[in-house]
Amino acid sequence: SYELTQPPSVSVSPGQTARITCSGDALPKQYAYWYQQKPGQAPVLVIYKDSERPSGIPERFSGSSSGTTVTLTISGVQAEDEADYYCQSADSSGTGVFGGGTKLTVL
Amino acid sequence: QVQLQESGPGLVKPSQTLSLTCTVSGGSISSGSYYWSWIRQPAGKGLEWIGRIYTSGSTNYNPSLKSRVTISVDTSKNQFSLKLSSVTAADTAVYYCARANWGWRAYYYYYMDVWGKGTTVTVSS
Repeated sequence: SYELTQPPSVSVSPGQTARITCSGDALPKQYAYWYQQKPGQAPVLVIYKDSERPSGIPERFSGSSSGTTVTLTISGVQAEDEADYYCQSADSSGTGVFGGGTKLTVL
Repeated sequence: QVQLQESGPGLVKPSQTLSLTCTVSGGSISSGSYYWSWIRQPAGKGLEWIGRIYTSGSTNYNPSLKSRVTISVDTSKNQFSLKLSSVTAADTAVYYCARANWGWRAYYYYYMDVWGKGTTVTVSS
C-alpha cells in the first residue's frame, strides 16, 4: 500500500488564498481527488482528476499537480470554506487511499 | 438524482460481525459504469477506504482489512452490503457508502462523487 501526506492544518484570513498540499510517491502516475468535509456531514467532491471541478463547485476551488505533490488552491477564501479537506488517489488495481486530512481554519 | 442511504445496527459486540446495507435510490445500481464503495471514519479522525464492488461482483479491498471484509451486491434490491468480521473497538466509526466513477484517461481514475450521509457503528459489549 502507499500513503498520501497532508499538513494537519492550514490557516488563512478571509479573502486570501489557501493552498493545501498532498504528497505521495505514486502521484506522478496517478490522479488525485479532493473532498471537503464539514462537521457532521459527509464528504463532498470538490476536485477530480487533479484539476477538474464538478458542477456546482465554486470557481475559487482549483487543483494542480507537480511531481509527487498535488495542491488544492482556494482563492478568495470565505468563512464557509472552513472545513476538513482530504486528498484521495487510487492505483490501477483499484485500491483507494486517503490522505490524513487538513483542517482549514479561516481566521 | 441518485441518493445513497446506509442502514444497519448501531451497536455491535466485540468479536461479532458488523453488517451494513446501502440502498441506492433515484437510479438503478446496475445502470452506468460505477463502483460501489465503503469508507469509514473514526470519531475525530480521517477517512479510511474499506473497499468496493462492481455490479458484476468484482471486488477490491483495503489490504489492511482484507481478511475481515466482504462486500456484496444485490441488484434486485438496488443494494450493496458490507460485512466486517471479528470487530473490536477500533472498528467504531461512521461508515459511509458511496458511488464511484472509474476508468482510464492518461491514468486510471477512481473517485467518489455521491455519498450517503453515513451511519455510526459502535463496537462495545
